Amino acid sequence: DAGVTQSPTHLIKTRGQQVTLRCSPKSGHDTVSWYQQALGQGPQFIFQYYEEEERQRGNFPDRFSGHQFPNYSSELNVNALLLGDSALYLCASSLGLATNEQFFGPGTRLTVL
Amino acid sequence: QKEVEQNSGPLSVPEGAIASLNCTYSDRGSQSFFWYRQYSGKSPELIMSIYSNGDKEDGRFTAQLNKASQYVSLLIRDSQPSDSATYLCAAGGSQGNLIFGKGTKLSVKP
Repeated sequence: DAGVTQSPTHLIKTRGQQVTLRCSPKSGHDTVSWYQQALGQGPQFIFQYYEEEERQRGNFPDRFSGHQFPNYSSELNVNALLLGDSALYLCASSLGLATNEQFFGPGTRLTVL
Repeated sequence: QKEVEQNSGPLSVPEGAIASLNCTYSDRGSQSFFWYRQYSGKSPELIMSIYSNGDKEDGRFTAQLNKASQYVSLLIRDSQPSDSATYLCAAGGSQGNLIFGKGTKLSVKP
């Protein structure tokens, strides 16, 4: 049973650059949510994708955008990177919108210099 | 502002003891609650889900939910050093998102 996968594992960027993170959901899942986890904090919800549409969004600026593809995989894009964007970015997959039970991928550690 | 509150710890227990982790939530509309275990440098791993008032047991883990008090807990029996991790409590939002606490760091001493 294939779990959630994310790429890349680590990424180093400089301020002002743009980054794209990728996620493939667990086999059989069709919903992808993205979270940002700063050091010592719990994950913070960025947005959720279902049927290739953004269904819900947390309190993050428009610099954060995403996409979901027909095979349910997803991308998170962050433009105009700030030092404060340095964090662990987590993708979580689930089945449909009726459940909150979500399974996380290994994450992408983003460092902005 | 919908919040989940946890004691950040660290909580230290001896091997073989019961570890008790607690969390409160602010949104009375939340209907689902989850405990995740996160080892240092790793991603959260789902260990328990609970949806109804009362207790739910799975192996050495017992989750307890009291919606009237807006309180969720996790008991770990016969704690092992391998249980040393940060435990994240999460409440399900109304449209599928999860609201996390900051986590409680558990240390099990041999």
